[in-house]
Amino acid sequence: GNSVTQMEGPVTLSEEAFLTINCTYTATGYPSLFWYVQYPGEGLQLLLKATKADDKGSNKGFEATYRKETTSFHLEKGSVQVSDSAVYFCALKAGNQFYFGTGTSLTVIP
Amino acid sequence: EPEVTQTPSHQVTQMGQEVILRCVPISNHLYFYWYRQILGQKVEFLVSFYNNEISEKSEIFDDQFSVERPDGSNFTLKIRSTKLEDSAMYFCASSQEGGQINEKLFFGSGTQLSVL
Repeated sequence: GNSVTQMEGPVTLSEEAFLTINCTYTATGYPSLFWYVQYPGEGLQLLLKATKADDKGSNKGFEATYRKETTSFHLEKGSVQVSDSAVYFCALKAGNQFYFGTGTSLTVIP
Repeated sequence: EPEVTQTPSHQVTQMGQEVILRCVPISNHLYFYWYRQILGQKVEFLVSFYNNEISEKSEIFDDQFSVERPDGSNFTLKIRSTKLEDSAMYFCASSQEGGQINEKLFFGSGTQLSVL
């Protein structure tokens, strides 16, 4: 079946630290992969996506590379800011369906 | 930027009561969805809705659940007789396109439902 597993949080980092949030997936076929972000009090928003193997999605300094050989789509940012504090959801789309992970809460402290 | 609006943000109800969760999708969107997240678990798909009918639903979406688009702007999720295990955050989402083309969902901020 289709599923996403992402690292459990919460994650607490100091400002300007390097961020990695791990995400691995199981899928039949060739899914598209996504990271969504939920800021406090808001809905989930699309952060970045990749639609095929070796694609790199990027936005707002965040990056993730679609790795078919390791079935992974890890989220990275070189230098986090306080404003990056949010919950991050990894997701895949297979057919007409989205499958989400549990979300990883990130808190960045000054 | 247009957004999906959900009300209420929190809903507390007694077991066995009916609840209606409300959503106003983005005005030019055609596809509507409900998802839920039980605390500590994954965000789960419940149902998708297009052209005034359900297009897909999950195993979770049993006879206790129903959706409606009563007036062309609201999109509601009704739970007829709530159970304790229905306690979750419920997210509404909408998109302009569906199916294979749909790559971007717009989500509301969620309704936290607590069943006592």
